[in-house]
Amino acid sequence: EDKVVQSPLSLVVHEGDTVTLNCSYEVTNFRSLLWYKQEKKAPTFLFMLTSSGIEKKSGRLSSILDKKELSSILNITATQTGDSAIYLCAGRIQGAQKLVFGQGTRLTINP
Amino acid sequence: EAGVAQSPRYKIIEKRQSVAFWCNPISGHATLYWYQQILGQGPKLLIQFQNNGVVDDSQLPKDRFSAERLKGVDSTLKIQPAKLEDSAVYLCASSLTDGDYEQYFGPGTRLTVT
Repeated sequence: EDKVVQSPLSLVVHEGDTVTLNCSYEVTNFRSLLWYKQEKKAPTFLFMLTSSGIEKKSGRLSSILDKKELSSILNITATQTGDSAIYLCAGRIQGAQKLVFGQGTRLTINP
Repeated sequence: EAGVAQSPRYKIIEKRQSVAFWCNPISGHATLYWYQQILGQGPKLLIQFQNNGVVDDSQLPKDRFSAERLKGVDSTLKIQPAKLEDSAVYLCASSLTDGDYEQYFGPGTRLTVT
């Protein structure tokens, strides 16, 4: 059964801290891994990773995929209260193109 | 460009009643997805359409859930009869096609079954 597991499930830090969120996957016919940010209801897209070892970066957020370890990390530097959200990662299955989501990491940034 | 539209935003029903959700994807997007997100969990795919054909409905509880996408644009998801465990947020998403494209999510419908 395809499975995506995220850790930690919950994280509370102070503004300005750097955080690392983890995602591991067991997905048959893996194609790519996606990260989403969910603040209210609708997840918003952050990154799509297909190649191992190539970092994707957007402002203070960055992510990298390790296909050997079947994992990915999402880094957020100099965190702000607006970064408080649930961060979801999902593995995409080749062929069917369906996404299998992890349970999410709830990140809380305290001022 | 306009995003994915969903309605209603909230719905409260009693168990055994029926309910329907509506989704209008981003214009030109061929692929449409319905997800169920139970509190504290990630979204789970219920059904995926490519235009008006079903690509994947392996996790759709077909004894009570049904979905259609007539004319390959709008879609409706129905639950009949509802159970307490159907309480969740129902998310609709669309993508340009079924390749390696980003999925854009709508605001979701929060369903509470009492």
